Amino acid sequence: SQTIHQWPATLVQPVGSPLSLECTVEGTSNPNLYWYRQAAGRGLQLLFYSVGIGQISSEVPQNLSASRPQDRQFILSSKKLLLSDSGFYLCAWSVLARTDTQYFGPGTRLTVL
Amino acid sequence: AQSVTQLDSHVSVSEGTPVLLRCNYSSSYSPSLFWYVQHPNKGLQLLLKYTSAATLVKGINGFEAEFKKSETSFHLTKPSAHMSDAAEYFCVVTTISGNTPLVFGKGTRLSVIA
Repeated sequence: SQTIHQWPATLVQPVGSPLSLECTVEGTSNPNLYWYRQAAGRGLQLLFYSVGIGQISSEVPQNLSASRPQDRQFILSSKKLLLSDSGFYLCAWSVLARTDTQYFGPGTRLTVL
Repeated sequence: AQSVTQLDSHVSVSEGTPVLLRCNYSSSYSPSLFWYVQHPNKGLQLLLKYTSAATLVKGINGFEAEFKKSETSFHLTKPSAHMSDAAEYFCVVTTISGNTPLVFGKGTRLSVIA
């Protein structure tokens, strides 16, 4: 069966510090991968998606970036965090195109102080 | 373009009573529709999915949803609420064909009172 992991589970970082969140998927090959942010009291905002190694599409311009160095690894990064980057970050995967059912990881709670 | 509106931000029901979470969608093409559930500080779990087959879709944990094209609705129901159903529920729309991403509603928080 397929599983998706995210770490860390929680993170507290000062403004201006760098960020690296990692997501890995097991049990499937060549998945589509997604990063979402969920701010308090809001729905999910799609940040990035990837259809293959090194292929990243950005949905929203911001100070975050994403990379996919391996088939089943998806990394969300920032060089300098802002207060507004606080939120719950969710990684997801799907088998087919981005219209397909997506399966979500457990999430990372990021607090920027 | 696709959009989804969850008509209630918060629904409160007593344990053992029916649950109704309302969702209306807008789509230029034949839609695929999903309901996801999110427990506090957890990821989203797929409850059920509609993709142009039977209009009444049965999901996990006793939930079901009915696709009504004439009303552009996809309401989520359950005959009898359990305490463990307390969570955030998201209605999601996309298109069966094409390259549009999933569009999430803003969520409905379900509270279950003992």
